[in-house]
Amino acid sequence: AIRMTQSPSSFSASTGDRVTITCRASQGISSYLAWYQQKPGKAPKLLIYAASTLQSGVPSRFSGSGSGTDFTLTISCLQSEDFATYYCQQYYSYPRTFGQGTKLEIK
Amino acid sequence: QVQLQQWGAGLLKPSETLSLTCAVYGGSFSGYYWSWIRQPPGKGLEWIGEINHSGSTNYNPSLKSRVTISVDTSKNQFSLKLSSVTAADTAVYYCARVASALVTDRYYYGMDVWGQGTTVTVSS
Repeated sequence: AIRMTQSPSSFSASTGDRVTITCRASQGISSYLAWYQQKPGKAPKLLIYAASTLQSGVPSRFSGSGSGTDFTLTISCLQSEDFATYYCQQYYSYPRTFGQGTKLEIK
Repeated sequence: QVQLQQWGAGLLKPSETLSLTCAVYGGSFSGYYWSWIRQPPGKGLEWIGEINHSGSTNYNPSLKSRVTISVDTSKNQFSLKLSSVTAADTAVYYCARVASALVTDRYYYGMDVWGQGTTVTVSS
């Protein structure tokens, strides 16, 4: 199985900050990567697929980049509603695997 | 607006079989894969498996010997059975739709619609 490793596992930031979360795959996955946002007690929400394509309805302050093994999710100007846990997931091969998550907290 | 509604028993004893069903409302059932994902308390997401409207399945090898995912196209529903549960199977279980999109001549995927989640506790 492809291992997905996110960094950092958690960090604190302030409203208005620009933040970047990294996801690394244990082998090349082309651009078969999705990003999800999850708030406590809620189901995950799809933010980005194909590594950099924004899902319909997702604010443009979210962006994704990368290909192969290294990927990033960037939030350009943090809003209060963005404090959540973020997961990457690969769709290159089975079994589908997720990163361990990055918890973004308010500083 | 597609919605997924899931249900099933929330409290099981060790060795019992977990059984959950997810119904699809307001959209097409064919043309998609339909997934099950779980999340142990305080932990991350684990992909369990998926099925399409024809009944073609893919399972996580870590659970494959105990998992069965089935589909009932007449009701636009799909189901998860996990046998011989233990405390390690305690989790919130989600169903989700796997959407595909054509991006520069390749299809890419993402789980774009999710059920509300079902908390399953395994305890004697």
